[in-house]
Amino acid sequence: AQSVTQLGSHVSVSEGALVLLRCNYSSSVPPYLFWYVQYPNQGLQLLLKYTSAATLVKGINGFEAEFKKSETSFHLTKPSAHMSDAAEYFCAVSDDSGGSNYKLTFGKGTLLTVNP
Amino acid sequence: AAGVIQSPRHLIKEKRETATLKCYPIPRHDTVYWYQQGPGQDPQFLISFYEKMQSDKGSIPDRFSAQQFSDYHSELNMSSLELGDSALYFCASSPPGLARRDTQYFGPGTRLTVL
Repeated sequence: AQSVTQLGSHVSVSEGALVLLRCNYSSSVPPYLFWYVQYPNQGLQLLLKYTSAATLVKGINGFEAEFKKSETSFHLTKPSAHMSDAAEYFCAVSDDSGGSNYKLTFGKGTLLTVNP
Repeated sequence: AAGVIQSPRHLIKEKRETATLKCYPIPRHDTVYWYQQGPGQDPQFLISFYEKMQSDKGSIPDRFSAQQFSDYHSELNMSSLELGDSALYFCASSPPGLARRDTQYFGPGTRLTVL
């Protein structure tokens, strides 16, 4: 079964600093990987996804992630943090059992705090 | 663009009561997923439907049931509610075809509070 592990339940950065949120995956086949963002009391918004095409994926709001098979990682980065980036970030992997079952398995989430 | 609609957005129930959550997928989407997110937790998959048939089942209690109707909307029925059922319930939908695997659009969620 696929799974993802997010290292660090809470990351705090200063405004303008680099954002790095870590995600490692476990999958027996090439995975489909996702990063979602959740603002307080809101739903899940897709930031970006990896679907076995380019290993460097660019998403919305200046975020990007790089798929590294050798490290089984899919870390999320942003060069310069903005106050509006403060939120919970979830890494997720799509079920690869085929058919119509593509449920997502989420990591435990990383709360990003941006300090002025 | 149309998004996934969930109703109600907030629901307060007493223990042992029943609740029905509704999900209206994006038009022409044929797959619906339900997820439960407890306080401070990650979303957990409950159940999914593809073309009105149950396609997968996760950690859904026997007290819960769900179905997808002919117009593709879905309802999650919850009976004998417990305090631990208090959570945010998300519905997500996917389009038909190859995009099904890599595209799930989430609704805003229904916040259920059990007192």
